[in-house]
Amino acid sequence: AQSVTQLDSQVPVFEEAPVELRCNYSSSVSVYLFWYVQYPNQGLQLLLKYLSGSTLVKGINGFEAEFNKSQTSFHLRKPSVHISDTAEYFCAVRIIKAAGNKLTFGGGTRVLVKP
Amino acid sequence: DSGVTQTPKHLITATGQRVTLRCSPRSGDLSVYWYQQSLDQGLQFLIQYYNGEERAKGNILERFSAQQFPDLHSELNLSSLELGDSALYFCASSVGTSGKNEQFFGPGTRLTVL
Repeated sequence: AQSVTQLDSQVPVFEEAPVELRCNYSSSVSVYLFWYVQYPNQGLQLLLKYLSGSTLVKGINGFEAEFNKSQTSFHLRKPSVHISDTAEYFCAVRIIKAAGNKLTFGGGTRVLVKP
Repeated sequence: DSGVTQTPKHLITATGQRVTLRCSPRSGDLSVYWYQQSLDQGLQFLIQYYNGEERAKGNILERFSAQQFPDLHSELNLSSLELGDSALYFCASSVGTSGKNEQFFGPGTRLTVL
């Protein structure tokens, strides 16, 4: 079975500073990888996804992530955060050759951007 | 706004009761998914339907059931409720069943069991 570990449960960061959110996954088979963001009192919104090809993936709102197959990681980065980036971020995987389209999520990382 | 609607937004009920959560997918989406988000379990996949048929099952309790109707809306039924069922329940939808299809999430239904 696959699993996703987000190494930091909370990340405080100052406005305009860079941020990196770490995600490691465990799976014996190939997976697709996703990052979702959840703003307070809202549902989840897709930030970016890795399906194949270039290991550096660019998403919305200036976020990017790098897929590292050897380290089974998919870390999310943003070079300069805004107050509006305060939210919870979830890394997720989906087994490529599986029935259905189930996402397995990590425990989430709360990002608090301070002025 | 993802285009996925869920009703009600909030639900407060007592232990032992039964509730129904409703989800309308985005126009054109045939797949519907249910997820549970709780403090101790995190975000967990419950079940997926595609065009009216069950497609995949996750950690869904036997007390829970779901269905997808011909108009593609879905309902999640939770019965014999326990305190531990208190959680945020999300519905998501996608065009098909491919893992490449983005899942669009609704705003959720917050269930409180007292």
